[in-house]
Amino acid sequence: DAGVTQSPTHLIKTRGQQVTLRCSPKSGHDTVSWYQQALGQGPQFIFQYYEEEERQRGNFPDRFSGHQFPNYSSELNVNALLLGDSALYLCASSPGLKPGYEQYFGPGTRLTVT
Amino acid sequence: AQRVTQPEKLLSVFKGAPVELKCNYSYSGSPELFWYVQYSRQRLQLLLRHISRESIKGFTADLNKGETSFHLKKPFAQEEDSAMYYCALTSGSARQLTFGSGTQLTVLP
Repeated sequence: DAGVTQSPTHLIKTRGQQVTLRCSPKSGHDTVSWYQQALGQGPQFIFQYYEEEERQRGNFPDRFSGHQFPNYSSELNVNALLLGDSALYLCASSPGLKPGYEQYFGPGTRLTVT
Repeated sequence: AQRVTQPEKLLSVFKGAPVELKCNYSYSGSPELFWYVQYSRQRLQLLLRHISRESIKGFTADLNKGETSFHLKKPFAQEEDSAMYYCALTSGSARQLTFGSGTQLTVLP
């Protein structure tokens, strides 16, 4: 099991463009969460998907949207990119939402907005 | 709103010395606290969680609800403990993680 995988590894975009990041959860996991990690900061929760629906959302604007597919993989879309969106985007998966379920993180996608 | 504070961005200790990484939190309910670690060029991974009260790689952490703290401790630091450490808590129905800003631990030879 490769664990949580994310693609691409790195990405460079221009202000105003749109970007799509992808995540495949660990085998047996059906819940995917996305986090943004700015330089020198801890990860910040963006949103979570379970049963193909957005279940919870952090304090991020509507420019950030997502999707979960029937195979539990997920996409994060960011529209109208700003310089401040430059960050490491982490995907985490877990086998549901019960207490004690560990969230496993992917390696992240490094997004640079110029 | 929940908040996790790690007051030290950088911490250096010598090999064999005790180490304590501080974490304070604010949360109105009963939190579930975690320590995550990120070694160089590796992904973020769970080190330990307070509900299991386990010791991982010699590290322990006790939840002090009175002081709202969850400090990470190890009696004898090793060079391989050098890493970035994040304290986190879960909240809400989605159990999303709220992280502190992290402490970079360097264990000197």
